[in-house]
Amino acid sequence: KNQVEQSPQSLIILEGKNCTLQCNYTVSPFSNLRWYKQDTGRGPVSLTIMTFSENTKSNGRYTATLDADTKQSSLHITASQLSDSASYICVVIDDTSYGKLTFGQGTILTVHP
Amino acid sequence: KAGVTQTPRYLIKTRGQQVTLSCSPISGHRSVSWYQQTPGQGLQFLFEYFSETQRNKGNFPGRFSGRQFSNSRSEMNVSTLELGDSALYLCASSLGPDQETQYFGPGTRLLVL
Repeated sequence: KNQVEQSPQSLIILEGKNCTLQCNYTVSPFSNLRWYKQDTGRGPVSLTIMTFSENTKSNGRYTATLDADTKQSSLHITASQLSDSASYICVVIDDTSYGKLTFGQGTILTVHP
Repeated sequence: KAGVTQTPRYLIKTRGQQVTLSCSPISGHRSVSWYQQTPGQGLQFLFEYFSETQRNKGNFPGRFSGRQFSNSRSEMNVSTLELGDSALYLCASSLGPDQETQYFGPGTRLLVL
């Protein structure tokens, strides 16, 4: 069964600090992996999308890494801001039928001043 | 350019009733996907439509159905509502079925009493 596991479940950091969120998956065959940010009460917003051949992709202060061999991804947030407080969701899409996405449960990040 | 819009934003129904949710994709987008989000299960894929045809379907009972119109607008219907159907229903649009980036709407929050 395809699974996506994220850790930690929740994280509290101080403004200005860096943090790293983890995502492990068992989805196979693999097409691409996405990180989304979801603010409370709003729909998810795409941060990065990575295919099998990509190791790193950045979007401003967000940098995602992918190790397709170990089936692990991480999302690194640098110089955190209060507006980074949100749920971060890892999504993996298999290569058998596009549109079937497997979602992680998300990591709830809280940034304190 | 207007984003993905969903109506209604909030809805209260009682068990046994049926409900229809609406999604208007970003202008020019022809692919619409629906997702259910609950605190316990997280985000789960319902189905995807492209050019009025259902391309993929998640693991939900037949009470959940959808359709897409020629203008790419989509509706989702849930019949014989159960308490467990209480959730945030999210719609996402993309240019086509193989486009990388999906844009999510704000969601419809359904409460079943």
